[in-house]
Amino acid sequence: DTGVSQNPRHKITKRGQNVTFRCDPISEHNRLYWYRQTLGQGPEFLTYFQNEAQLEKSRLLSDRFSAERPKGSFSTLEIQRTEQGDSAMYLCASSRALGYTFGSGTRLTVV
Amino acid sequence: KQEVTQIPAALSVPEGENLVLNCSFTDSAIYNLQWFRQDPGKGLTSLLLIQSSQREQTSGRLNASLDKSSGRSTLYIAASQPGDSATYLCAVNQGGSEKLVFGKGTKLTVNP
Repeated sequence: DTGVSQNPRHKITKRGQNVTFRCDPISEHNRLYWYRQTLGQGPEFLTYFQNEAQLEKSRLLSDRFSAERPKGSFSTLEIQRTEQGDSAMYLCASSRALGYTFGSGTRLTVV
Repeated sequence: KQEVTQIPAALSVPEGENLVLNCSFTDSAIYNLQWFRQDPGKGLTSLLLIQSSQREQTSGRLNASLDKSSGRSTLYIAASQPGDSATYLCAVNQGGSEKLVFGKGTKLTVNP
């Protein structure tokens, strides 16, 4: 059990580019979550997977955002046509029952 | 819509002091409440989880209480240490949803 792993740790991209983040959850955890956190705020829920099925999505997840979890293992979060307002820490968490384990996050800066 | 508020936003105390962090939520129909710690630029570390049927949970120097009917939780830290310096976040899990709703956190500084 090496915890929840997120890559890359940091990403700087130009406005209008596409970016993709990866999350590797704890292997026996069937639930996976994505959150976004901006400076001075608590994390905001983006989406939730149970195994490979995406069961819940926030209205924050606009058409430019897409998340996948093929085969119920790792997950990817893609942002198309990035905007400066997308600059934030993107956090992944996994769970099997009660309680969450969070990864260290991917910090995205859009310039 | 569930809203979570944490007071104070920031707190600075001398080492050794006992302290209380407060969390309130607007909708009492919660499944559980969790307290997390976040170090600067890092992810979240789970500290304590209280299920809706429970009143409190303890782990070492930490004690969290839950009063669901009044929409309040407190995190008590005994004998604070400089290593406790971090942002403490409260989050509630609403019944019928998997998402956590977070407060903005309390930034704690423990001075040696």
